[in-house]
Amino acid sequence: DSGVTQTPKHLITATGQRVTLRCSPRSGDLSVYWYQQSLDQGLQFLIQYYNGEERAKGNILERFSAQQFPDLHSELNLSSLELGDSALYFCASSVAGQGGEKLFFGSGTQLSVL
Amino acid sequence: GENVGLHLPTLSVQEGDNSIINCAYSNSASDYFIWYKQESGKGPQFIIDIRSNMDKRQGQRVTVLLNKTVKHLSLQIAATQPGDSAVYFCAETSKSGSARQLTFGSGTQLTVLP
Repeated sequence: DSGVTQTPKHLITATGQRVTLRCSPRSGDLSVYWYQQSLDQGLQFLIQYYNGEERAKGNILERFSAQQFPDLHSELNLSSLELGDSALYFCASSVAGQGGEKLFFGSGTQLSVL
Repeated sequence: GENVGLHLPTLSVQEGDNSIINCAYSNSASDYFIWYKQESGKGPQFIIDIRSNMDKRQGQRVTVLLNKTVKHLSLQIAATQPGDSAVYFCAETSKSGSARQLTFGSGTQLTVLP
């Protein structure tokens, strides 16, 4: 168990809908990362937050947004969903978020867009 | 970003044999490397890391070798066990401006044969 908690584990929805994925980092970790994993793209970095503020952006679509709350949990919002958004979404956390440190991953949320 | 990739997508080894998983990277500024193991239905799990000021690091049954001259990283697993069957990812970080992000390779599927 990595200590990173993600909910829900599975999510099935329809195109055009909006969903929210939730992540609780390891105790003491200030930085949260979101990754998308699909069969043809591997693990793609989406966005990073550190202590409530956005620190870095990766290949995140404009239809997607995220935030980190004062209690350090994070939510990833996916809107206007398309079939191609079906993927595993992972949250990871680290202590400082400065880079050069290991990330601890949650078990992921499997999103299926029908 | 620059490419972090794996030489082989699949690797099959006999139980008890040693496994070697290879990874090439192209960014000469990469200075921190991590190996992750991902079992089916789970998130990536940290195995071992190495910084660019080292060329070898050992853990429990695992050794990571770093050859900066040819930009090559390998993970050696001693006495491979059925529980080692998983996808193995190498990841690297380098500084780009003020950001340091972890970039993952495409993964190698290790299958341990009885």
